[in-house]
Amino acid sequence: AQKITQTQPGMFVQEKEAVTLDCTYDTSDPSYGLFWYKQPSSGEMIFLIYQGSYDQQNATEGRYSLNFQKARKSANLVISASQLGDSAMYFCAMREGWGNTPLVFGKGTRLSVIA
Amino acid sequence: EPEVTQTPSHQVTQMGQEVILRCVPISNHLYFYWYRQILGQKVEFLVSFYNNEISEKSEIFDDQFSVERPDGSNFTLKIRSTKLEDSAMYFCASSERRDSNQPQHFGDGTRLSIL
Repeated sequence: AQKITQTQPGMFVQEKEAVTLDCTYDTSDPSYGLFWYKQPSSGEMIFLIYQGSYDQQNATEGRYSLNFQKARKSANLVISASQLGDSAMYFCAMREGWGNTPLVFGKGTRLSVIA
Repeated sequence: EPEVTQTPSHQVTQMGQEVILRCVPISNHLYFYWYRQILGQKVEFLVSFYNNEISEKSEIFDDQFSVERPDGSNFTLKIRSTKLEDSAMYFCASSERRDSNQPQHFGDGTRLSIL
């Protein structure tokens, strides 16, 4: 079974609008972390935002916020006031447990911001 | 802001040749990782490294692969005899601690092309 599922291969959003990128996860470990990374066309991986399994509040980081619904095992990324520079691949990823565990990535969503 | 640096940015190599990909993690980070991303696919974990030892490796990381921290700053990935299917973007990442709430900071990647 997939540990991280991103069901939207591609999304379009109008500039200045908000957009939600979906991510669901599968784990039986009570301790885990969820991460979103941005990959522009130039290829680098940029860390955006983190949500811990025990965090009571949804994470926010500037225009990025995470809609964390633990019972549904979803961690959707919300980008507010989209900009042309937000056009990129977005990857949801998870680390399980408290050890030096690797990140497991989803297949990504390609976001295109339209002027 | 400190960053992970990778060299070279692009490596073209004949099949069967050895290749070494280099990384300089963030200076106070203790945990190091290699990931790869075949074109158009998701990011896959290869290996994690701590205290001069491999912590965990994936099934991709077979006997053709090795990692080394030859000095206090560099972290290398060696592929002994490259195959066509090794063509991918290779990312180095580092984190300060091993907790699952710690983001892994990625370098800009090395694009490896095997001819």
